[in-house]
Amino acid sequence: DAGVTQSPTHLIKTRGQHVTLRCSPISGHKSVSWYQQVLGQGPQFIFQYYEKEERGRGNFPDRFSARQFPNYSSELNVNALLLGDSALYLCASSFTQGTYEQYFGPGTRLTVT
Amino acid sequence: GENVEQHPSTLSVQEGDSAVIKCTYSDSASNYFPWYKQELGKGPQLIIDIRSNVGEKKDQRIAVTLNKTAKHFSLHITETQPEDSAVYFCAASRDSSYKLIFGSGTRLLVRP
Repeated sequence: DAGVTQSPTHLIKTRGQHVTLRCSPISGHKSVSWYQQVLGQGPQFIFQYYEKEERGRGNFPDRFSARQFPNYSSELNVNALLLGDSALYLCASSFTQGTYEQYFGPGTRLTVT
Repeated sequence: GENVEQHPSTLSVQEGDSAVIKCTYSDSASNYFPWYKQELGKGPQLIIDIRSNVGEKKDQRIAVTLNKTAKHFSLHITETQPEDSAVYFCAASRDSSYKLIFGSGTRLLVRP
């Protein structure tokens, strides 16, 4: 079975631009979480979505938004990019919101210049 | 606030030796403690986890111990191999929580 997939793998954006990152969860998984991993640090929680609704949000500004689609895939959007948004963005899926195990995708490496 | 501290930040061992990584959490309501292995250019891979109703869990060469009173948990890798070289992260979360709180990571190097 395929694991969590994310696209694109890498991208480079300029300050002030907007970016959309995509995630497809493991087949059968209904919950998707997004994390930001700055180089040399552990992942930081951004959002969780379950059944197309936001179920949790981390300490990130309103420039960050997300949504989940009927097929349980998800998009993370970041507006007005800052240099500090450069990071690896990770998507994790779990069977339901109440399931402990979260499985991560390979991530999208975003560089803001 | 919620915080997980992880030590050491780097660990170098000879192949065949054991490696121990320790974490401390601040949220006393935490009851799920996973460990992830992250190789270069890849996402974190869940390698073992433990819930608060268990004090120890073992899976082949990997074991995790939990001391809820002290709010400590540890990863033990025995008979290390070069392919164990990676960055290891501990994490903690509450019951049915959506949010994993990660430690800062330990870079493990296993010398052949």
